[in-house]
Amino acid sequence: EPEVTQTPSHQVTQMGQEVILRCVPISNHLYFYWYRQILGQKVEFLVSFYNNEISEKSEIFDDQFSVERPDGSNFTLKIRSTKLEDSAMYFCASRPGDGPYEQYFGPGTRLTVT
Amino acid sequence: DAKTTQPNSMESNEEEPVHLPCNHSTISGTDYIHWYRQLPSQGPEYVIHGLTSNVNNRMASLAIAEDRKSSTLILHRATLRDAAVYYCILGGAQKLVFGQGTRLTINP
Repeated sequence: EPEVTQTPSHQVTQMGQEVILRCVPISNHLYFYWYRQILGQKVEFLVSFYNNEISEKSEIFDDQFSVERPDGSNFTLKIRSTKLEDSAMYFCASRPGDGPYEQYFGPGTRLTVT
Repeated sequence: DAKTTQPNSMESNEEEPVHLPCNHSTISGTDYIHWYRQLPSQGPEYVIHGLTSNVNNRMASLAIAEDRKSSTLILHRATLRDAAVYYCILGGAQKLVFGQGTRLTINP
């Protein structure tokens, strides 16, 4: 069964450093998402991406964040200058197309900022 | 975003049915009712969704009240693997807005 994959599974970085989290969505999906979950808290929406542009973003997704689909398979989340409060699990998700289709989530990347 | 209310936690026994309730009194006519679950240390996983009619799939059933102000996720025969946080989410086709969900514990 196709699945969303994410790398790395765990990333440790120092405050102020740039990180790139990588995702490979399911191949025929058209909509892509990033969510995050701070330890012990709710899953929070960050950004949605369709047709090579951001379709919606949350207040969390400020200028320090960016997303890109550099080729036909990868979908990346970049944090330019990490802060301690960026420590969280980051989940990528993808969806086939229009309509209330289910979102398929990856296993997540645990980001630890020291 | 329309709000949902779920119990913080529920407990059930293995091989028994589980009924997980969700109230959504402010649901709009175009809102679908989605259920996801999150197993420990994993990403959220789609369970089921519906609009007006009851729905069944291999994982669960979704019973939707006639006025659509509440719904119930039914796990017909719970296993230990069903221990997870279950989220009831309203919306259309775009972002998912997660609440705190219901933490389901399954006793062997």
